[in-house]
Amino acid sequence: EIVLTQSPATLSLSPGGRATLSCRASQSVSCCLGWYQQKPGQAPRLLIYDTDNRATGIPARFSGSGSGTDFTLTISRLEPEDFGVYYCQQGIHWPTFGQGTKVEIK
Amino acid sequence: EVQLAESGGGLIHPGESLRLSCAASGFTVSSNYINWVRQTPGKGLEWISIMYPNGDTYYAASLRGRFTISRDQSQNTFYLHINSLRTDDTAIYYCAGSGSPNRGDYWGQGVLLTVSS
Repeated sequence: EIVLTQSPATLSLSPGGRATLSCRASQSVSCCLGWYQQKPGQAPRLLIYDTDNRATGIPARFSGSGSGTDFTLTISRLEPEDFGVYYCQQGIHWPTFGQGTKVEIK
Repeated sequence: EVQLAESGGGLIHPGESLRLSCAASGFTVSSNYINWVRQTPGKGLEWISIMYPNGDTYYAASLRGRFTISRDQSQNTFYLHINSLRTDDTAIYYCAGSGSPNRGDYWGQGVLLTVSS
């Protein structure tokens, strides 16, 4: 099983700030990594797939990058609705998720 | 607009069986990848099962044997059967669909399954 480790566990930022979330895989996942946002009481929502492709309807302030074992989700200017928990997920082998990074209002 | 709606959760006793349903609209279950994922506070998000458009099915290695994914083309609905329920099956269960494998483009709202005596 591929283990995904996300950092930091919590990110405290102000609206308008820049968020940088990291995801490290225990082995190479090639390009097959995605990012999801989850808010309390809601299902995960796909933001990014295959490293750097925004899902339908996702604003341009969300961007993904990386390769191999190291990946990054960047939110360029945080909006109030962006606060929540973010998960990375690999799909090169049996799908697994990271443990999540909580983005909270500072 | 794609909508997925789960049903069938609730309070179930250990050892019993259950079927969760996921009714789809705006999304054809027989021609897409359909998935079940569960979430617990302790283990986080866990991918349970996938069905390919050709009908092939796959399961998490740790869960193989008690879980069965199926679909009904006429109802545009897919299912997760769980046998011999255990207390550690307690979770929110999500159905998810996608045009690509191993990805969740669309998600249901989730259904809570509590296994307890």
